[in-house]
Amino acid sequence: DQQVKQNSPSLSVQEGRISILNCDYTNSMFDYFLWYKKYPAEGPTFLISISSIKDKNEDGRFTVFLNKSAKHLSLHIVPSQPGDSAVYFCAASANFGNEKLTFGTGTRLTIIP
Amino acid sequence: NAGVMQNPRHLVRRRGQEARLRCSPMKGHSHVYWYRQLPEEGLKFMVYLQKENIIDESGMPKERFSAEFPKEGPSILRIQQVVRGDSAAYFCASSPLRTSGPSSYEQYFGPGTRLTVT
Repeated sequence: DQQVKQNSPSLSVQEGRISILNCDYTNSMFDYFLWYKKYPAEGPTFLISISSIKDKNEDGRFTVFLNKSAKHLSLHIVPSQPGDSAVYFCAASANFGNEKLTFGTGTRLTIIP
Repeated sequence: NAGVMQNPRHLVRRRGQEARLRCSPMKGHSHVYWYRQLPEEGLKFMVYLQKENIIDESGMPKERFSAEFPKEGPSILRIQQVVRGDSAAYFCASSPLRTSGPSSYEQYFGPGTRLTVT
């Protein structure tokens, strides 16, 4: 039972444009959501998070939007840069991060110069 | 401020041998999580530990796998009698000590140990 879904395995975006990565979840107990970026042969790097009491969180070029009624979140990267090419994982937790993370299967983002 | 450290980075074991993976959390962090990533899949939770306590082991296979986080020293994930299906990347993450009042806690990951069973 895949509780966190990233339905796009891959995405290609022109450098300088906006990258939008999507994530859906099914478990109503999730109240904390995180995005991680991963390069091959490295561990995931934390990017940005959002709790269910908010619908938007912004950090530099990265913005995460949460739509609780649709059980959907998205990560916007603008402007996209070549160094953003990586696999992006969406993760969710209950109890505001006091519990295990449930990960999606990832989206491979490629930024085209 | 060093990040999460894992060793070894690569481990090769023959079927039937034991594998020991070590994780040192970030300074000031008292919560450790272990995750496994099989090829072409996302990360799957295995176990959540605090010092000398297993909090949640719901993702841990019932046999051959064990984990500990002693009062002194790193957290250890131990796999006995390894099989080819155990070949994967094993990641450790840590998060800070919980404080009173509402807050949320990110997990920070180490570089992983890539286990290959031949």
